[in-house]
Amino acid sequence: KQEVTQIPAALSVPEGENLVLNCSFTDSAIYNLQWFRQDPGKGLTSLLLIQSSQREQTSGRLNASLDKSSGRSTLYIAASQPGDSATYLCAVSIRGSTLGRLYFGRGTQLTVWP
Amino acid sequence: DAGVTQSPTHLIKTRGQQVTLRCSPKSGHDTVSWYQQALGQGPQFIFQYYEEEERQRGNFPDRFSGHQFPNYSSELNVNALLLGDSALYLCASRFTTSGSREQYFGPGTRLTVT
Repeated sequence: KQEVTQIPAALSVPEGENLVLNCSFTDSAIYNLQWFRQDPGKGLTSLLLIQSSQREQTSGRLNASLDKSSGRSTLYIAASQPGDSATYLCAVSIRGSTLGRLYFGRGTQLTVWP
Repeated sequence: DAGVTQSPTHLIKTRGQQVTLRCSPKSGHDTVSWYQQALGQGPQFIFQYYEEEERQRGNFPDRFSGHQFPNYSSELNVNALLLGDSALYLCASRFTTSGSREQYFGPGTRLTVT
């Protein structure tokens, strides 16, 4: 059974800091990994998707890396802003599951203060 | 291009009642998945519909059932509601033959059972 863990559970940083969120998964036979953002009480917004054959993806100030063999992914946020405050979730889709069921971690709650 | 839409936004029900939640997938998408997210937890997979059939199911009791219509929209039904069913219910859609398997989530329905 695929287990996804995210560390830390919560993070509070001053504006402008560069930060790293961590995600680990137990079964390396993944198809892809997605990072999502969730604002309080809201749905999920997809930030980045990394295919199992890729090592990283970038979008603006966000960079996500994937090390499938060690079962780890990191989300790097550069020059953090108060508007980045949200919960960040990672989720994996496993091979053999042709319709893409996602396994989620519990998320990292990020607070960026001015 | 409308994204994934869900209705209603909020719902309050009493224990033992039944509830129906609705989801319209993103334009062009044909696969719909439902997730339950309890407070402070990551989303948990309930089931997935494709071609009007349930294709995968997570570890949820038979009280949870669903349906997909010819226009790809979907309903989630929960019978005999329990206090523990209180959660944010998320719908996600994707296009089956999409190689990326990227999934798009709706804003969710907040269900409160009293």
